[in-house]
Amino acid sequence: NAGVMQNPRHLVRRRGQEARLRCSPMKGHSHVYWYRQLPEEGLKFMVYLQKENIIDESGMPKERFSAEFPKEGPSILRIQQVVRGDSAAYFCASSPQEGYEQYFGPGTRLTVT
Amino acid sequence: ELKVEQNPLFLSMQEGKNYTIYCNYSTTSDRLYWYRQDPGKSLESLFVLLSNGAVKQEGRLMASLDTKARLSTLHITAAVHDLSATYFCAVEPYNTDKLIFGTGTRLQVFP
Repeated sequence: NAGVMQNPRHLVRRRGQEARLRCSPMKGHSHVYWYRQLPEEGLKFMVYLQKENIIDESGMPKERFSAEFPKEGPSILRIQQVVRGDSAAYFCASSPQEGYEQYFGPGTRLTVT
Repeated sequence: ELKVEQNPLFLSMQEGKNYTIYCNYSTTSDRLYWYRQDPGKSLESLFVLLSNGAVKQEGRLMASLDTKARLSTLHITAAVHDLSATYFCAVEPYNTDKLIFGTGTRLQVFP
């Protein structure tokens, strides 16, 4: 049973470019969560999605960041016009239902040069 | 504002010694998680505590939860070098599905 998959594992972008981070939840899981971890800090919640719906985006920056979880395919976290402050590890987690334990993926480490 | 605070932030301890990491939180919750993170790696789930008074043990680690005091502890018994890592607690507030993470405790165990 494959775990949560994220790709790419490492992503380097120049300032002003776009970053797309992908997350495939565990089989049978329809709930996806994105968290960001800045260097030397804990994880911070960004957004919670179910298939085709954003349930809670209270942790998403108001500009440049968006997330989707289409009916088919992985969840995508999109960062437009990246800045150096976006450099972080971005973790995706999934759960089978609301209120169940979240299982974390390996993360995508974004470096903005 | 929801806060989850851990202490200490850094812990350097000798092999064979015991120590406790504390996790205080400011919101109402009866779900608390402990994770381990090695440098550059993802989170490894250690314990899930789902009710007041819950106590779980795995090897040299034991976790407990007091929802009335809004406090969880992670106790380390007879530390070994392999336990060196960063430990996070995370709280799931009532009526939400998001996790609020603590600041983390970086543990270093030396001979």
